[in-house]
Amino acid sequence: NAGVMQNPRHLVRRRGQEARLRCSPMKGHSHVYWYRQLPEEGLKFMVYLQKENIIDESGMPKERFSAEFPKEGPSILRIQQVVRGDSAAYFCASSPGGGPNTDTQYFGPGTRLTVL
Amino acid sequence: TQLLEQSPQFLSIQEGENLTVYCNSSSVFSSLQWYRQEPGEGPVLLVTVVTGGEVKKLKRLTFQFGDARKDSSLHITAAQPGDTGLYLCAGQAGANNLFFGTGTRLTVIP
Repeated sequence: NAGVMQNPRHLVRRRGQEARLRCSPMKGHSHVYWYRQLPEEGLKFMVYLQKENIIDESGMPKERFSAEFPKEGPSILRIQQVVRGDSAAYFCASSPGGGPNTDTQYFGPGTRLTVL
Repeated sequence: TQLLEQSPQFLSIQEGENLTVYCNSSSVFSSLQWYRQEPGEGPVLLVTVVTGGEVKKLKRLTFQFGDARKDSSLHITAAQPGDTGLYLCAGQAGANNLFFGTGTRLTVIP
């Protein structure tokens, strides 16, 4: 049973370019979460999605960042006009959606974004 | 914002020693999870604790959830070099996101 998959594992962009990060949840999981880990810091929640719906985006910067989880295909985290401060590891997690106290999140290997 | 503080931040011990890592918050969580993260990889789930006062054992690792569900501890008996890594606690409030602790970086010296 494949785990959470993320690609690319490493992404290099120049300032002003766009970054697209992909996440395929575990089989049977319908909930996806995105977290960001800055160097030497803990993971910070960004957004929580179910199929075709954004449930909670309270951790997402208001500008340049967007996320989607279409009916078909992976979840996408999109960062427009990247700046050096966007350099970080971006982790995706998925859960089966069993509700509070049972909804354990399983993490992917992350995408390491470097902005030059 | 619900904050989780872990202590110690860094820990370096000899193989065979015992250690305890603490995770403290002023907030109540419906559940608390412990993860271990290797360099360049994502966090790997070790355990989920749900009930106040709950104790779970995973081989040489013992996890305890505080009675008030605000804190937790991880105790490792007879540490091995393979235990080296970043240990993260994460509290869950509701169905949505996890609030991660600051992490404890453990090094076990052979």
